[in-house]
Amino acid sequence: GDSVTQMEGPVTLSEEAFLTINCTYTATGYPSLFWYVQYPGEGLQLLLKATKADDKGSNKGFEATYRKETTSFHLEKGSVQVSDSAVYFCALSELSNTGKLIFGQGTTLQVKP
Amino acid sequence: DGGITQSPKYLFRKEGQNVTLSCEQNLNHDAMYWYRQDPGQGLRLIYYSQIVNDFQKGDIAEGYSVSREKKESFPLTVTSAQKNPTAFYLCASSISGRRGNQPQHFGDGTRLSIL
Repeated sequence: GDSVTQMEGPVTLSEEAFLTINCTYTATGYPSLFWYVQYPGEGLQLLLKATKADDKGSNKGFEATYRKETTSFHLEKGSVQVSDSAVYFCALSELSNTGKLIFGQGTTLQVKP
Repeated sequence: DGGITQSPKYLFRKEGQNVTLSCEQNLNHDAMYWYRQDPGQGLRLIYYSQIVNDFQKGDIAEGYSVSREKKESFPLTVTSAQKNPTAFYLCASSISGRRGNQPQHFGDGTRLSIL
């Protein structure tokens, strides 16, 4: 079945460092891909999305490009801030007509001043 | 502002007790979902509903029940049959449950603990 694999955390960076969180997926066909962010004690917020190959999603300085050839959707940010500390989830949409999303296990990011 | 409201934020359950978690949305979304999140883990789907008066089991439905009598409401009951209910429960919705490629919008969650 469809699945999403994220790099294990926690990822610890200093402020203004470059961020990459790896995400690879297994799916039949070409699903849409999403990154969500979860701050402590809160629900998930949609960070960005891409719906087809070579699409780049971007929001709040974060970017991710839908790479069909490597089945990847890595999250990047050029300069992280302490306020970016959170858990990041990669997800894909099932192509069956259910609206279901498949989530990775999440990657915790800690940014130190 | 449109959104998803979950209540209560914290809930405690006694042995042998059923508890109900509320989820209300005013986004006019057709589809709603319930997830369970355990520490350090991803989200696991409990139940989902693509349209009013219809719902399907997700990956971990045992010990849980739902109803979908109104478009805006999708309450989750954690029954006494659920032996390990301590978790963070998240409700979500999407515009359509019959089309893929739609993002889901989440509430702020309910944290359930055992007394």
